[in-house]
Amino acid sequence: DTEVTQTPKHLVMGMTNKKSLKCEQHMGHRAMYWYKQKAKKPPELMFVYSYEKLSINESVPSRFSPECPNSSLLNLHLHALQPEDSALYLCASSQGVRGGYGYTFGSGTRLTVV
Amino acid sequence: AQTVTQSQPEMSVQEAETVTLSCTYDTSESDYYLFWYKQPPSRQMILVIRQEAYKQQNATENRFSVNFQKAAKSFSLKISDSQLGDAAMYFCAYRSPLPDNYGQNFVFGPGTRLSVLP
Repeated sequence: DTEVTQTPKHLVMGMTNKKSLKCEQHMGHRAMYWYKQKAKKPPELMFVYSYEKLSINESVPSRFSPECPNSSLLNLHLHALQPEDSALYLCASSQGVRGGYGYTFGSGTRLTVV
Repeated sequence: AQTVTQSQPEMSVQEAETVTLSCTYDTSESDYYLFWYKQPPSRQMILVIRQEAYKQQNATENRFSVNFQKAAKSFSLKISDSQLGDAAMYFCAYRSPLPDNYGQNFVFGPGTRLSVLP
């Protein structure tokens, strides 16, 4: 298995909803990442989970909450989002945070906040 | 901090022709890695090619090749025999061997949108 699987592919949610995005990989990668991508822009790092440690981009609002139940799964819990949070959310994994490994990306979740 | 610049926001190429996408970067590190990623309308970021800075030989992957000029901090991507399926956003990326305090060691350029004309 050489894929990163993200579900759902599309999500529309109201500003008072609570939802979760799921990311799964079975490549034995030790690092997983959540990125946010606006249209025609490069991805922006939100969270890194590696070797059981979570690193957070300080600019990410608390309405985004990551969770790593095990080394193959990385969830992103969403609560009280704003319309400006509408974006493509990409999950990626890497063999490790050190070295020259590339990232394997999932196909993303297109999130629309109404 | 490292920065990556792609000076061509948009480019177009005729099918079967060759096109070169530019990328420059700024770093004080001597050891690092460079990547080109492709993002078609299907959204998934796909690794196109990878270059290790300590290797002088330019990386190639089928129709894709790079011109890596370490002294000039330049890393351009050449696509030969362009195909309609090559139409996508292309991101140049720099990776430090060690992450910063936030676990970040990947820096993406702003991207170049490539159109392939039939």
